[in-house]
Amino acid sequence: NAGVMQNPRHLVRRRGQEARLRCSPMKGHSHVYWYRQLPEEGLKFMVYLQKENIIDESGMPKERFSAEFPKEGPSILRIQQVVRGDSAAYFCASSPPGRLASNTGELFFGEGSRLTVL
Amino acid sequence: DQQVKQNSPSLSVQEGRISILNCDYTNSMFDYFLWYKKYPAEGPTFLISISSIKDKNEDGRFTVFLNKSAKHLSLHIVPSQPGDSAVYFCAASGGSQGNLIFGKGTKLSVKP
Repeated sequence: NAGVMQNPRHLVRRRGQEARLRCSPMKGHSHVYWYRQLPEEGLKFMVYLQKENIIDESGMPKERFSAEFPKEGPSILRIQQVVRGDSAAYFCASSPPGRLASNTGELFFGEGSRLTVL
Repeated sequence: DQQVKQNSPSLSVQEGRISILNCDYTNSMFDYFLWYKKYPAEGPTFLISISSIKDKNEDGRFTVFLNKSAKHLSLHIVPSQPGDSAVYFCAASGGSQGNLIFGKGTKLSVKP
C-alpha cells in the first residue's frame, strides 16, 4: 500500500529557473495539501486542492507559485523564476474524499522534496 | 500571528523518564489537535490526536491532554526511549480552515 509519493526528492535549480514538484496521493485519496518548511521553521500551509479544483490557496505567495491537481496524474507545485529564498523542503499530504482535515485531523505526508536554489 | 505555538525549541530527557511537550493555541474554533513526529529528511508521521470535546486521549506510551480554558495541550511520552528522539509538531484544524496549522516544533532528545 503505497503512501504519498513525492518526486523529485532533491532538486537543484539556479536563480531564474523553474521548479516543478510532483505529488501522487495515497490510493483512494482525492484531497492534496502542499506545505513548505524553511530551515529551522515549522510547516507552513500553502495550498489545498481537490481533483481539478483549488479549495484554499491562502498560503501561496502571490507571484511565481502555482499548483494544480488534474483529473489524471499527480498534483504539481510549480515555482517560476526561483530565488534563493525558495530553498526549502516542500511536503505534500493527502486525505480521503469526504474527510476534510477539519473533520478528522489526520493528513498523510510524503517524504518531501528538497529544493536548493543556487 | 502564530495561531499554534510551541515555545520550547528543544527538550532533553533521560531514557525511561517522562517527556512533556507543550503547545498553545489562540483560535477557539479549532476542533481537532494533533501531534506529528518528524525525523530528519523524512516526512511528518501522525502520532496521536484529540478532539476538542475531550480532555485526554491515550495510545500506548503517548497521552495528549487538552485544556480548552487555557488553550493549551501537551503530549506526554512515558517511558521515553532513544528512538523517540525527533522533532514533534503540534497541529490544529477546524473553524474556517480545511487544512492543518502547525507549530514550529520541539526537538526532543532522549539520552540513554
